[in-house]
Amino acid sequence: NAGVTQTPKFQVLKTGQSMTLQCAQDMNHNSMYWYRQDPGMGLRLIYYSASEGTTDKGEVPNGYNVSRLNKREFSLRLESAAPSQTSVYFCASSRGQGAGELFFGEGSRLTVL
Amino acid sequence: QQQVKQSPQSLIVQKGGISIINCAYENTAFDYFPWYQQFPGKGPALLIAIRPDVSEKKEGRFTISFNKSAKQFSLHIMDSQPGDSATYFCAASMRDNYGQNFVFGPGTRLSVLP
Repeated sequence: NAGVTQTPKFQVLKTGQSMTLQCAQDMNHNSMYWYRQDPGMGLRLIYYSASEGTTDKGEVPNGYNVSRLNKREFSLRLESAAPSQTSVYFCASSRGQGAGELFFGEGSRLTVL
Repeated sequence: QQQVKQSPQSLIVQKGGISIINCAYENTAFDYFPWYQQFPGKGPALLIAIRPDVSEKKEGRFTISFNKSAKQFSLHIMDSQPGDSATYFCAASMRDNYGQNFVFGPGTRLSVLP
């Protein structure tokens, strides 16, 4: 019963470095999402993938890229990290197509110096 | 039109009291309204949800009240307990061409004093 698993849980980067956040779900969900959480801002959608093979931009996509590797895995890449990308990142999944509940991972805390 | 407003930002309630958090939305295309509960260091988890064809939904001590005409919905926590201390997010969701899109409010930090 792992649900949504994110790695790494913590990461410190220097400005300009790149890194990839990994996410996997074992619930056979169609849709997967990447959110960032900042104080007072709630959860803002970066990218989502409605189904395997598709991805689309959310509210705050600049500076990020994603890959839906297969139905289980959805990765988020920062090509050239900036201090403004310091945040807590959450991956989530849902059955999709109006099915309702969003299941979240435990988050990845990223600090960019 | 995609924004979901939430108030208050923070709330302090005595044990046994009622906690009330309010949300408002603009886009009438939203068709699913969940509330998420988040404890420190954890991801948000679904607490309770409602669809706009009903005005109220109750699950234990948690109740959602929904006012479609006013485009507002609220979470009521009855007999609040210290274990309810967490951050609460309201959200609104709709289906679009790509699947299901969720928009979250900014969150309310609830502290229940023993």
